[in-house]
Amino acid sequence: RKEVEQDPGPFNVPEGATVAFNCTYSNSASQSFFWYRQDCRKEPKLLMSVYSSGNEDGRFTAQLNRASQYISLLIRDSKLSDSATYLCVVKLSGGYNKLIFGAGTRLAVHP
Amino acid sequence: DGGITQSPKYLFRKEGQNVTLSCEQNLNHDAMYWYRQDPGQGLRLIYYSQIVNDFQKGDIAEGYSVSREKKESFPLTVTSAQKNPTAFYLCASKSYDEQFFGPGTRLTVL
Repeated sequence: RKEVEQDPGPFNVPEGATVAFNCTYSNSASQSFFWYRQDCRKEPKLLMSVYSSGNEDGRFTAQLNRASQYISLLIRDSKLSDSATYLCVVKLSGGYNKLIFGAGTRLAVHP
Repeated sequence: DGGITQSPKYLFRKEGQNVTLSCEQNLNHDAMYWYRQDPGQGLRLIYYSQIVNDFQKGDIAEGYSVSREKKESFPLTVTSAQKNPTAFYLCASKSYDEQFFGPGTRLTVL
C-alpha cells in the first residue's frame, strides 16, 4: 500500500465548476500536510499548507481529518489556469522531517 | 533573484557512463534534497543534506552519489550502477516547512 494515495484522475471539468480532490495517508506519525501544484514538465510549487482547523486561500480550501487520515482540496470557480497536477504531501515527524509525496491528481479545466 | 538552478535541463547518457547533475541555490538554505520523479509515481528521495559536508541516503540512493562542499551547491552523480536512470530529477532546498524546487533535469539513457 502506498504511504500517500491519490486518485490519479484526470478530472475534466468546465470553467466555473467546483472540484474536490482527496488524499489518504497511512503513517500515523505524519505531522504536517501540504498541497503542491505541478504544471506539465515543471517543478512542484507549494499551493498551501493544510491545518487541522481547515484553511482557505481564495478559491482553494484544504481540510484535514486526522482520525480518518484523510486530506482534501476543494477548488471553486475553476479557471483554465488551474489545469495542473495536484500533489498531496505529508511530512513525517522526527529525523530530518521527511516528505512523502503522492503521485498526484491531474486536473484539466476546459472552456 | 533568489532561487534554485539546475543544469542541464535535458541530458542524454549512454549506458555505462557516469553523469553529474548540477544544483545551485542562493536562498541561504542549509538543507538540500535530490528527488527523482517517474510517470505515475510520487517524488522519491535519493539523497539529502542538512548541512555542509554532511549528507545522508534517502529511499533510493543505490547507483547515485552526492557531495556538499559548499552551502550553495549539491551536485548529484548518476553512476553506471543505476539500472534505470531515465527520469526527471528535481533538486530542492528547505526553509521551515516549505521545500523549494529547481526546474529539474530530464535524464534519458540511450
